[in-house]
Amino acid sequence: ELKVEQNPLFLSMQEGKNYTIYCNYSTTSDRLYWYRQDPGKSLESLFVLLSNGAVKQEGRLMASLDTKARLSTLHITAAVHDLSATYFCAGDPWASGSRLTFGEGTQLTVNP
Amino acid sequence: KAGVTQTPRYLIKTRGQQVTLSCSPISGHRSVSWYQQTPGQGLQFLFEYFSETQRNKGNFPGRFSGRQFSNSRSEMNVSTLELGDSALYLCASSLMTGLNYEQYFGPGTRLTVT
Repeated sequence: ELKVEQNPLFLSMQEGKNYTIYCNYSTTSDRLYWYRQDPGKSLESLFVLLSNGAVKQEGRLMASLDTKARLSTLHITAAVHDLSATYFCAGDPWASGSRLTFGEGTQLTVNP
Repeated sequence: KAGVTQTPRYLIKTRGQQVTLSCSPISGHRSVSWYQQTPGQGLQFLFEYFSETQRNKGNFPGRFSGRQFSNSRSEMNVSTLELGDSALYLCASSLMTGLNYEQYFGPGTRLTVT
């Protein structure tokens, strides 16, 4: 059974700083997903990483996948307040695209 | 293109009652998955329907059931509600073709059981 662990679970950072959220998973997962959730809202898809070494970037966020280490990272560059949200990674152990196993989430607060 | 829609958005029920939640996927998407989100257990997969057939099921009791209609709309039902069923229920749809395995989530239905 796939287990997905994120760290840190809570992250408070200053605007303009860089930081990385880590996502470790326990067994094979063909794909790795990153989502953002604002308070009281649904999940917004950020990245889908399909293969080892995959790197995707959107604005101040960059995600990467190392399937051999079973590790994905979400790097935040020069954080701004608008990035404050909870970030989830999710694995897809059945390669189904429809049955995801989520991590606990990282609650990010960016302070002015 | 319209996104995933869920109705109702908010619901308050009493223990022992049953509830039905509805999800309309993005046009053309044939896969619909349901997730439960609670502060204690996080996001957990309930089940997935594809072409009117349940294809995957998570570790939830039989009180949780669902179905999918020919137009891909899906419903989930929870019978004999318990306090612990209070949660945000999220529906997600997928195109499921080629390399496109992205799931698009609806706004959710917040269920409160009293």
